[in-house]
Amino acid sequence: IAGITQAPTSQILAAGRRMTLRCTQDMRHNAMYWYRQDLGLGLRLIHYSNTAGTTGKGEVPDGYSVSRANTDDFPLTLASAVPSQTSVYFCASSNGTGELFFGEGSRLTVL
Amino acid sequence: GQNIDQPTEMTATEGAIVQINCTYQTSGFNGLFWYQQHAGEAPTFLSYNVLDGLEEKGRFSSFLSRSKGYSYLLLKELQMKDSASYLCAVLDSNYQLIWGAGTKLIIKP
Repeated sequence: IAGITQAPTSQILAAGRRMTLRCTQDMRHNAMYWYRQDLGLGLRLIHYSNTAGTTGKGEVPDGYSVSRANTDDFPLTLASAVPSQTSVYFCASSNGTGELFFGEGSRLTVL
Repeated sequence: GQNIDQPTEMTATEGAIVQINCTYQTSGFNGLFWYQQHAGEAPTFLSYNVLDGLEEKGRFSSFLSRSKGYSYLLLKELQMKDSASYLCAVLDSNYQLIWGAGTKLIIKP
């Protein structure tokens, strides 16, 4: 693989269920990010990680958690999904210049 | 608060020139980015400005005025494939990216 891979591409989920969105990069970038994108709104940062072993909260962290056990993987977990978490989720990484490299996105629908 | 403003939608004709404006109010400034996002796809990097002036890259140019909190993306010789959303983002004093909602550009034949 080259770049960032997200899985699943699309998922329909019942409210209350637990869900993990996977993100893997092979560029050895230190910084990784999770964004959500909703119609009419800009990309909103959920959580970020500046390096393996560290994570931080973004603009809209409530209801989400992340971990960064190694450089390559940065999964996003919804402990108990709610309909307001219906969105397109993008994982991204950065090489330290500020430029972001995005995965193809995960479209999540919570019913 | 921090704010990035750009028009919601613009329409232009194939072969023409279009300018997409972005104004920003952020806590600090460490650069401004433009990204292109085709429908259903991920954003991809177009340009980065940190100093005032015009940066040209093929058919695309990006301008920055830090004193005015203003940038624009100029697209020349428009092609149908340029139909996409264009996202403006500012790197603030904490080196976090603040994103505009994006401008949907519609190209007509």
